[in-house]
Amino acid sequence: GAVVSQHPSWVICKSGTSVKIECRSLDFQATTMFWYRQFPKQSLMLMATSNEGSKATYEQGVEKDKFLINHASLTLSTLTVTSAHPEDSSFYICSAITPYSGNTIYFGEGSWLTVV
Amino acid sequence: GQQVMQIPQYQHVQEGEDFTTYCNSSTTLSNIQWYKQRPGGHPVFLIQLVKSGEVKKQKRLTFQFGEAKKNSSLHITATQTTDVGTYFCAGGGANAGKSTFGDGTTLTVKP
Repeated sequence: GAVVSQHPSWVICKSGTSVKIECRSLDFQATTMFWYRQFPKQSLMLMATSNEGSKATYEQGVEKDKFLINHASLTLSTLTVTSAHPEDSSFYICSAITPYSGNTIYFGEGSWLTVV
Repeated sequence: GQQVMQIPQYQHVQEGEDFTTYCNSSTTLSNIQWYKQRPGGHPVFLIQLVKSGEVKKQKRLTFQFGEAKKNSSLHITATQTTDVGTYFCAGGGANAGKSTFGDGTTLTVKP
């Protein structure tokens, strides 16, 4: 079946640095990918919708200059947390959809980011 | 916008008792997914339902998608201590890939 891979699974970075998280669709072309984050003891919140070849659409309250999303190919979307701060520490997860999957979406396994 | 409500927020059961969590959407869903998150862990995908009235089973877990595709439930038969965790539902709206997560139901099981 369709697989979405996220890398890295765990990352620790220093405050002020940038971190890139990759989301890959391994055996299908994902025209649209979605990025979510989860703060401790809270639910997952949609951050942005990533469309191949165009700018991402960000949800209200999500800083587009801080969370850079690039969807340069049909199998890869990246989320870069720029100038990371401890409050950015969270669980980030992506999902992907293809026009051929009907209403089925595929989630990656997520990435834990800890900013120290 | 689309809202997904999940109840109850917390559920404490004795081991061996059944457990059900309910998910209700303000709008018709194109799909619904269920996740389990153990304490200190990350959400793990359990299942996705797409068809109206769909019922799927995974061992002691039964998942249902309502006929109107606006509600869903997860039922666990004869809970075990390994079932503890928070169960999230996530519903896809008109844009099937854009999921809205419920706030989760946290299950504790007393041995």
